[in-house]
Amino acid sequence: EAGVAQSPRYKIIEKRQSVAFWCNPISGHATLYWYQQILGQGPKLLIQFQNNGVVDDSQLPKDRFSAERLKGVDSTLKIQPAKLEDSAVYLCASSYGGTTDTQYFGPGTRLTVL
Amino acid sequence: AQKITQTQPGMFVQEKEAVTLDCTYDTSDQSYGLFWYKQPSSGEMIFLIYQGSYDEQNATEGRYSLNFQKARKSANLVISASQLGDSAMYFCAMREKNFNKFYFGSGTKLNVKP
Repeated sequence: EAGVAQSPRYKIIEKRQSVAFWCNPISGHATLYWYQQILGQGPKLLIQFQNNGVVDDSQLPKDRFSAERLKGVDSTLKIQPAKLEDSAVYLCASSYGGTTDTQYFGPGTRLTVL
Repeated sequence: AQKITQTQPGMFVQEKEAVTLDCTYDTSDQSYGLFWYKQPSSGEMIFLIYQGSYDEQNATEGRYSLNFQKARKSANLVISASQLGDSAMYFCAMREKNFNKFYFGSGTKLNVKP
C-alpha cells in the first residue's frame, strides 16, 4: 500500500514570495491533515479536512495561508506572501477513521524562507 | 494549559537497556486516544503504538509498550532492549474523539549509546 506522498521535498524562497505544497493521502483515507513543524518543536495542526470539507482550521494563519482539498483526495497548501517565520517542515498526514483513527504521515516538505 | 506534556527534552540510554519516555495529558473528553510517534533525523513521522481511553490492557507492539495510568493521565512509552536505531525524537499525541481535536507534545530526544 502506497504511503502519503508529498512534493516538493525541499523548497527555498525569498520572503514575500508565494509557495505551494501538494499532498496525496493514502487511498481510502477520508481525513487529511496539514501540520507545521518548526525546528525543535512538535507538529502544530494547521488544518484538517474530512473528505473535502474543513473540520478544523483554527490555527491556520488565514491572512497568508490557504488550503484546499478538491474532490476529497489530493490537497494543496499555499503560503502567500511568505515570511521568515514560515521556515519549517510542512507535514501532511491522513487517516481512515475507525476506532483508532491513526494518522500516517508523509515525508514532509522542508521550507526555507530567506 | 498544555494538552500534552513531555517533560524530558533529552534522554540517554545504554544499548540493550530499557528506557521510559514520559507523557502526561489533559482532557475533559471521556473518549480519547493516545499515540506515540518516532521521528528520526530523516524527518518522517513513524507511528509506533496506540492506546484507547477505554482499553483496560496496556498496549504493546514488539519492543514498545505503553504504560497507561488513566487516573494520573499519563501514557509513558517503554522501549525494551534499546537499539542504536532507536535514537530519534519521540512524540506523544492525543486525539479527543468527541471534540475531534488532535494534539502533539514537544517531544523527547532519545540517544542510545553503544
